[in-house]
Amino acid sequence: ELKVEQNPLFLSMQEGKNYTIYCNYSTTSDRLYWYRQDPGKSLESLFVLLSNGAVKQEGRLMASLDTKARLSTLHITAAVHDLSATYFCAVDLATDSWGKLQFGAGTQVVVTP
Amino acid sequence: NAGVTQTPKFRVLKTGQSMTLLCAQDMNHEYMYWYRQDPGMGLRLIHYSVGEGTTAKGEVPDGYNVSRLKKQNFLLGLESAAPSQTSVYFCASSAFSYEQYFGPGTRLTVT
Repeated sequence: ELKVEQNPLFLSMQEGKNYTIYCNYSTTSDRLYWYRQDPGKSLESLFVLLSNGAVKQEGRLMASLDTKARLSTLHITAAVHDLSATYFCAVDLATDSWGKLQFGAGTQVVVTP
Repeated sequence: NAGVTQTPKFRVLKTGQSMTLLCAQDMNHEYMYWYRQDPGMGLRLIHYSVGEGTTAKGEVPDGYNVSRLKKQNFLLGLESAAPSQTSVYFCASSAFSYEQYFGPGTRLTVT
């Protein structure tokens, strides 16, 4: 059974500082997704990571994937209030899994001045 | 292009009542999924479909049924609602095994 663990589950950030969210998973997979969810809203796709060593960047967010370590990181640079949200990583279960995803529990991010 | 839509947005049921949640997508995606989201647990897959006329069980299928009679629609049914089914339900679709696009969600309360 694939397990996906995110840490921390809650992250209080100060504006202007850098932070990292970690996503560990338990079995082989080379597809990992990061989503953002605002309170009461749906999930918004942030990054799609499809191979070992993949790195994607968008604004203050950068995601990377190390399939050998079964680890993905979401790095936040110079946090701003607009980044307050819950961030989920999701791992594709297998090559022939019909796209089924196993989600982490989510990291709630609060950015304060 | 509306993407993924869900009907209804909110619903309150009494224990034992039945209802159907409708998911529609206009992106011509083959794959569709139903998830539930509970506090502190992320999203869990209920059922999914890899094409018109096909359905399969996910991680937490008990108490739910689904149908995919048309490619663009994926229905989730609760035959006899229970308080444990109080949750937020999300539908998603994808072009084969790729990035999933989510609907706005349905907030269901069972009393």
